[in-house]
Amino acid sequence: EVQLVQSGAEVKKPGESLKISCKGSGYRFTNYWIGWVRQMPGKGLEWMGIIYPADSDTRYSPSFQGQVTISVDKSISTAYLQWSSLKASDTAMYYCARGYAPFDPWGQGTLVIVSS
Amino acid sequence: DIQMTQSPSSLSASVGDRITITCRASQGISNYLAWYQQKPGKVPKLLIYAASTLQSGVPSRFSGSGSGTDFTLTISSLQPEDVATYSCQKYHSAPFTFGPGTKVDIK
Repeated sequence: EVQLVQSGAEVKKPGESLKISCKGSGYRFTNYWIGWVRQMPGKGLEWMGIIYPADSDTRYSPSFQGQVTISVDKSISTAYLQWSSLKASDTAMYYCARGYAPFDPWGQGTLVIVSS
Repeated sequence: DIQMTQSPSSLSASVGDRITITCRASQGISNYLAWYQQKPGKVPKLLIYAASTLQSGVPSRFSGSGSGTDFTLTISSLQPEDVATYSCQKYHSAPFTFGPGTKVDIK
């Protein structure tokens, strides 16, 4: 069974750094892109970017370029989404998903709360 | 960048009704369009890709159509388990933007 399992919920303060993860299993991890999607409270889905694990080729949405970093460690079939300095406006659910497009399946989501 | 809009933003219908949701792209995207269903508190699920191809396991009451700039998602007979938000996504060229979503509930 193809599965993406994300790291647990995080509560951080503004200005702190954070790296969340997404581990793939049940398929050859390096053969499929992994994408990240943000969903702010009560809002719609926002495409953040994608990465190809085989060579780390990464594409970002202009809205998120420079705000986050997408990376991968193919040796452990894990993709990452990281922030160097969180803002309160980064509070959201973050999903990873398999595929260049469309996305299928999706991880269970990681809730990130940024509050002083 | 290509913008995606959806209409209506929400709708309420009776069990058994046929409902249609529209997704529009600001420029032509051929058939590079997917539809997702997100039930309350749940993870999004792929329903349809390539505008009209049903993902494996998705009930046949769901269908998609369109090409270019105008697309539709139809539920032929609305069921209680279809209460969800439906979002389109274009993947013609990055960024692969999602539409704002259409919330569907039962009258």
